[in-house]
Amino acid sequence: DVQMTQSLSYLAASPGESVSISCEASKSISNFLAWYQQKPGEPYKLLIQSGSTLQSGTPSRFSGSGSGTDFTLTIRSLEPEDFGLYYCQQYYEKPLTFGSGTKLEIK
Amino acid sequence: EVKLLESGGGLVQPGGSLRLSCSVSGFTFADFYMSWIRQPPGKAPEWLGMIRNTANLYSTDYNPSVKGRFTISRDNTQDILYLQMDTLRTEDTAIYYCARGLWVLFDHWGQGVMVTVSS
Repeated sequence: DVQMTQSLSYLAASPGESVSISCEASKSISNFLAWYQQKPGEPYKLLIQSGSTLQSGTPSRFSGSGSGTDFTLTIRSLEPEDFGLYYCQQYYEKPLTFGSGTKLEIK
Repeated sequence: EVKLLESGGGLVQPGGSLRLSCSVSGFTFADFYMSWIRQPPGKAPEWLGMIRNTANLYSTDYNPSVKGRFTISRDNTQDILYLQMDTLRTEDTAIYYCARGLWVLFDHWGQGVMVTVSS
C-alpha cells in the first residue's frame, strides 16, 4: 500500500497568516493527490484534486502543489473558518490511502 | 442539494454482523461510483471499498484489509448504498462514512455512523 505521511499533526496560526501543510507519499504517485477538510459536525469537504486543481467552491486562498512524493497545501491569509483537520489522499493505486491528518487551530 | 445519510450503526459483539445503509438524494444515484470509508477514533481514514455505477455494471473493489468480510451493494431503485459487515472484530470500531465518488475521489460525504465492536 502507498503510505501517506503528514508529519505535522498540529498547527496553530493567526488569522491573516499563511500556513503550509505537507504530505509525503511512500512512492511516486504523480499528481494523483487530493486534499480534504474536516470540520466538527460537518461532512468531509474535497478541496483540491490532481495535486493543485481547486474544486468548485474552494476559496482561492487555498492552493496545492507538488508531484511525485511531496505535496503541500497552502492557505494564504487564514480565515477563522479555516480551522479543522486536513487530510491528503492518494488515488494513484488501490487501496486508496489517506494521511493521518493535520489539525489546524486558529490562534 | 446532494445529501448522504448513514444509518445502522451501533454496538455489536465480536464475531457478529451488521449492515449499514446510506440513503442518498439530490443526484442520480445510479450514475455514480460510491464508496465506504471508516475512521477509527484519532486515526486516519481508511477506504474500505467501492461499487461502480450502472455503466460499469456495479462492479466492486475492496481494500484487502476487509475483503471477504465486508460486502458493498446498492439498490438503485431506492437510492441506498449498503455495507454488510461480517465476522466483526474489535479493530473494526470506527465511524463509517459513505461517500459519492468522482471515480476514486470523494466529492460528497455523509456525516458518518459509529460502529462499536465490543463484548
